[in-house]
Amino acid sequence: DVKVTQSSRYLVKRTGEKVFLECVQDMDHENMFWYRQDPGLGLRLIYFSYDVKMKEKGDIPEGYSVSREKKERFSLILESASTNQTSMYLCATELYGRNSNQPQHFGDGTRLSIL
Amino acid sequence: GNSVTQMEGPVTLSEEAFLTINCTYTATGYPSLFWYVQYPGEGLQLLLKATKADDKGSNKGFEATYRKETTSFHLEKGSVQVSDSAVYFCALSDQGGGFKTIFGAGTRLFVKA
Repeated sequence: DVKVTQSSRYLVKRTGEKVFLECVQDMDHENMFWYRQDPGLGLRLIYFSYDVKMKEKGDIPEGYSVSREKKERFSLILESASTNQTSMYLCATELYGRNSNQPQHFGDGTRLSIL
Repeated sequence: GNSVTQMEGPVTLSEEAFLTINCTYTATGYPSLFWYVQYPGEGLQLLLKATKADDKGSNKGFEATYRKETTSFHLEKGSVQVSDSAVYFCALSDQGGGFKTIFGAGTRLFVKA
């Protein structure tokens, strides 16, 4: 089974802090994703990565950056946290394939509160 | 662009009732379709999928049929249990969309004993 581990289940930070959310996977998947989940809005893609040191913007990248220095680890960075970034953050992985039928595998999420 | 629309919740049912959660999609190509489930306090996990028209995905008593003519992928279960209480997400992945997965907004299901 694929295991996707997010470093924290709950996190409380202050406005203006630099925040790091870590995600580690153990299944050698090429693709990794960061989403945020908000009530009524479903999942929104922040950033994704197809390979080490590769990154692509998703639908809502503003205020975020990412780092992928090793294949198994994908970090989300809030450069200067703001209250509107209070949310549930979900990391996901996906096996690369030249077709569209690969499912994504999710971590349990990090509930981040910015005070 | 690609999109997924699913029925708004919450849906509240009694145990052993029949469940339908509607999902329709818009896609430029020939997408694969998925249902994911999110139990309280957890991330999403794949429930079932279908990769071409008329395929039926099934798992844990849930079923969904890929209907290209109506661009739908409705989730059904004949007899729900309290343990099925969760949020259900319909999703698609399409080559025309660069293989990015598009998720619906989610439908919360409550099942009462």
